[in-house]
Amino acid sequence: EIVMTQSPATLSVSPGERATLSCRASQSVRTNLVWYQQKPGQLPRLLIYGASTRATGIPARFSGSGSGTEFTLTISSLQSEDFAVYYCQQYNNWPYSFGQGTKLEIK
Amino acid sequence: EVQLVESGGALVKPGGSLRLSCAASGLTFRDAWMTWVRQAPGKGLEYIGRIKSKADGETTDYTAPVTGRFTISRDDSKSTVYLQMNSLKTEDSAVYYCTKDIPYTGGGALDYWGQGTLVTVSS
Repeated sequence: EIVMTQSPATLSVSPGERATLSCRASQSVRTNLVWYQQKPGQLPRLLIYGASTRATGIPARFSGSGSGTEFTLTISSLQSEDFAVYYCQQYNNWPYSFGQGTKLEIK
Repeated sequence: EVQLVESGGALVKPGGSLRLSCAASGLTFRDAWMTWVRQAPGKGLEYIGRIKSKADGETTDYTAPVTGRFTISRDDSKSTVYLQMNSLKTEDSAVYYCTKDIPYTGGGALDYWGQGTLVTVSS
């Protein structure tokens, strides 16, 4: 099973600043990587798939990059609604697996 | 608009069984690969399993924690996917989500989620 490791566990950033979240896979997942956002009491929301393709309706301030084992989610200018937990997940090999999440909090 | 509506969550004793249902609308259900994901209270997301479309063999895949205990099935005539859960353990307590993926991602990129149904396993 591929283990997904996200860092940091918690990231404190001020509104308007840039946030960079990392995700590492224990073996190559090529670009079969997605990012989800989950706010308290809400459903996960697909942000990015194929490592860098924004899902429908996702603002351009969200961008994904990487391939193989190292991936990054960047939020260029944080808005108040962006503070949430973010999960990466690989879909290269079954069983698909999620990272443990990064909590993005207001500094 | 795609809608996924789960039902069947309940309080059940360890060793018991439960069947969850997920009724789908707004999509060509017969072509969809459907996936179940769960989330224990205050915890992260965990894949349970998926079922492919009939055209792709209607085969199922499961993750290790549920293999041999859980079974996913579908009824395309009712646009419904099921999760049969047997030999339930306390660690199976979670909100269970029915999900649909973006086509051609093998059940990987989950763009629609049901509202979830809560399963509590406790004596």
